[in-house]
Amino acid sequence: DSGVTQTPKHLITATGQRVTLRCSPRSGDLSVYWYQQSLDQGLQFLIQYYNGEERAKGNILERFSAQQFPDLHSELNLSSLELGDSALYFCASSAESGAATNEKLFFGSGTQLSVL
Amino acid sequence: DAKTTQPTSMDCAEGRAANLPCNHSTISGNEYVYWYRQIHSQGPQYIIHGLKNNETNEMASLIITEDRKSSTLILPHATLRDTAVYYCIVSGNQFYFGTGTSLTVIP
Repeated sequence: DSGVTQTPKHLITATGQRVTLRCSPRSGDLSVYWYQQSLDQGLQFLIQYYNGEERAKGNILERFSAQQFPDLHSELNLSSLELGDSALYFCASSAESGAATNEKLFFGSGTQLSVL
Repeated sequence: DAKTTQPTSMDCAEGRAANLPCNHSTISGNEYVYWYRQIHSQGPQYIIHGLKNNETNEMASLIITEDRKSSTLILPHATLRDTAVYYCIVSGNQFYFGTGTSLTVIP
């Protein structure tokens, strides 16, 4: 158990809909990262938050947004869903901001999103 | 961030050492080399990381060349449970994963 909790584990929805994925980081970790993993691709970095502030942005679509709350949990919002958004979405946490280069990421078990 | 190059797939006999190579020729002086693995569709799991010196922990050993342009992850006695995708990452400000090496441990 990594200590990172993601809910829900599975989500099935229709095209055009909006969903929210939730992540609770390990106790004490200030950074939260979101990744997307499609069948034909590796892990794609989406976005990182550190202590409530956006720290880095990767290949995140404009239809997607995220935030980190004062209690440090994070939510990834996916809107106007398309078939191609079907994927595993992972959350990871770390203690530091990411500006340092000596830190480990701890991953949750992921949310499997199926858009029908 | 430095790019990494890994073989797409490798096989290893059970009980033998698995040596997974990674090239990172554009690595900067302050960037660490990290290894993670992903078993089936589980969340990736941290294995080991290092800067310049070779490192060893209960899971694996990491050998980094003197010029830091490449590294090798060594699983000393591979078991069937080590079958996974192994990712080599060079970290700057973000953690970018590539497609990794799919290691199959054969009985």
